[in-house]
Amino acid sequence: DIVMTQSPDSLAVSLGERATINCKSSQTVLLSSNNKNYLAWYQQKPGQPPKLLIYWASTRESGVPDRFSGSGSGTDFTLTISSLQAEDVAVYYCQQYFGTSYTFGQGTKLEIK
Amino acid sequence: QVQLQESGPGLVKPSETLSLTCTVSGGSISTYYWSWIRQPPGKGLEWIGYIYYSGSTKYNPSLKSRVTISLDTSKNQFSLELSSVTAADTAVYYCARNLELDCWGQGTLVTVSS
Repeated sequence: DIVMTQSPDSLAVSLGERATINCKSSQTVLLSSNNKNYLAWYQQKPGQPPKLLIYWASTRESGVPDRFSGSGSGTDFTLTISSLQAEDVAVYYCQQYFGTSYTFGQGTKLEIK
Repeated sequence: QVQLQESGPGLVKPSETLSLTCTVSGGSISTYYWSWIRQPPGKGLEWIGYIYYSGSTKYNPSLKSRVTISLDTSKNQFSLELSSVTAADTAVYYCARNLELDCWGQGTLVTVSS
């Protein structure tokens, strides 16, 4: 299985400041034949299902605010929230959908400082 | 707009089979991939497997011997069966669409207990 490791486990950021969450995979999730990274980011608020934010590592899902962006390739990826809003408090997960099993990171809890 | 809704027993006895159904509304199940994911209380997400509209399946190797995912196009539903359950299978079970999980059901809590 591809192991996904997120850092940090928790993060406190002031309103309006930048938040950065990292995700590292134990193997590449880049398919060279189509140059796509099979990596997604989700946001989960308490009592709700996860919500897709980013897929193909950097493509924003329709309706997701443009303060959310994804970057990276191969084994190292980043989710950036450019200006933190109160409604962004949540747990964020990365997930690869490339390997024999589609594994998630352990989650990063984002709070307001 | 596509909506997904999980249904099934909230309590299952140890060693029995957990059975859940996901009903898809607002769109046809006869396209896309359809997935199951679970989340133990207070913990992270675990991908269980998917079924493609053609009927092909892919399962998490750690659960493969106990999992079956099937499709009923006439009812616009897909289902999960997990056999020989233990307390470790207690979780919120979600159904979702596609490999990148772009649409989720609200989830249903299944508790394994005698």
